[in-house]
Amino acid sequence: DQQVKQNSPSLSVQEGRISILNCDYTNSMFDYFLWYKKYPAEGPTFLISISSIKDKNEDGRFTVFLNKSAKHLSLHIVPSQPGDSAVYFCAASVYGGSQGNLIFGKGTKLSVKP
Amino acid sequence: GAVVSQHPSRVICKSGTSVKIECRSLDFQATTMFWYRQFPKQSLMLMATSNEGSKATYEQGVEKDKFLINHASLTLSTLTVTSAHPEDSSFYICSAVNGQHNQPQHFGDGTRLSIL
Repeated sequence: DQQVKQNSPSLSVQEGRISILNCDYTNSMFDYFLWYKKYPAEGPTFLISISSIKDKNEDGRFTVFLNKSAKHLSLHIVPSQPGDSAVYFCAASVYGGSQGNLIFGKGTKLSVKP
Repeated sequence: GAVVSQHPSRVICKSGTSVKIECRSLDFQATTMFWYRQFPKQSLMLMATSNEGSKATYEQGVEKDKFLINHASLTLSTLTVTSAHPEDSSFYICSAVNGQHNQPQHFGDGTRLSIL
């Protein structure tokens, strides 16, 4: 039973356009959400996070939106760059903050075409 | 940024061999380290949580006698896959946190384990 779902295995976007990566979750106890980016042969790199008490967090080109009632979060990348091409993982934590067990989605492979 | 080093990056060995994987936090003290496993086309799954100086906490279904975890210092945790068999072939990855509130887990680059 997958508690964190990334239903799109892949996404292709033109350079300069917006990339929107989606993530749904089922456990209402999750109180902290993170996005990680992963390049081939490397470990996941932390990108951005959001606490359940917020509905938006922005860091440069990256913005994460949280809709608790829909149990949905999304990552927006604007403008998209070819270097953003990677696999993006959504993760959630049930213990508060990022110290606890992270539940990961299966990832979405983003391809940004020049 | 925080750096976590994992070694080796790839291991190929015969069935029955024990394999040790090291995870080091290079520029911070990791109060807690996590070990994950990822099978093809699946998400990262937590195997165990390791706190410095205490016994690891294993997730349900993970054999603690099979996957030995040692967290002897604030910068090093090791995972030993004992008497590995082909079904243990997987991608193993560690992460570490520095204990401060709302700091993300930082991941190593993973170890691809192939048991022949």
